[in-house]
Amino acid sequence: DTGVSQDPRHKITKRGQNVTFRCDPISEHNRLYWYRQTLGQGPEFLTYFQNEAQLEKSRLLSDRFSAERPKGSFSTLEIQRTEQGDSAMYLCASSLVYGSTGGRADTQYFGPGTRLTVL
Amino acid sequence: GENVEQHPSTLSVQEGDSAVIKCTYSDSASNYFPWYKQELGKRPQLIIDIRSNVGEKKDQRIAVTLNKTAKHFSLHITETQPEDSAVYFCAAGRIPPNNDMRFGAGTRLTVKP
Repeated sequence: DTGVSQDPRHKITKRGQNVTFRCDPISEHNRLYWYRQTLGQGPEFLTYFQNEAQLEKSRLLSDRFSAERPKGSFSTLEIQRTEQGDSAMYLCASSLVYGSTGGRADTQYFGPGTRLTVL
Repeated sequence: GENVEQHPSTLSVQEGDSAVIKCTYSDSASNYFPWYKQELGKRPQLIIDIRSNVGEKKDQRIAVTLNKTAKHFSLHITETQPEDSAVYFCAAGRIPPNNDMRFGAGTRLTVKP
């Protein structure tokens, strides 16, 4: 499978615990995005990377959330001191941007998501 | 920032009929409008997209129209089939830089056989 992959697919945790999710983008893609999706809603943008640089973070991303993409390939999203309101599907997407200023950005392709349940 | 509204939230049609889903957006600088289909428990998958220099785009049974003046765009599915049943999301964003795409809340389409 050469698409975007995410691990784990499901995570159940107790309130207050830390969790970490991983996303492996399509291999040649240089952009990686994290979204959160709650039931009945569309994906909400959290943050994105171009190569290893985190270029934007949404106001939705509180201090308890941190994302990394150390080598410009896979990315991790960590949530510290989880709260019940963090329960959601966390989606990763990747795309290929051409040119130094992102003048031609390809479609975002989504991974299968990690469903987080905080008890 | 961009705000995308999508209607209707649910849509039920008979097999063979057409289905139309409409979205409006607020940021006049948005120039990229993809549509994603998400089946239960699966990832959103791109089904069609349109850029602002095009007014209409077709791909077999699906088509998307864009009215930049009115800031709305629509998805049209003709000859619907039960396998078209899913949640459909519209989105709007700017390319470049394609980092701030905003999604609608989704439309649950049910195609009755």
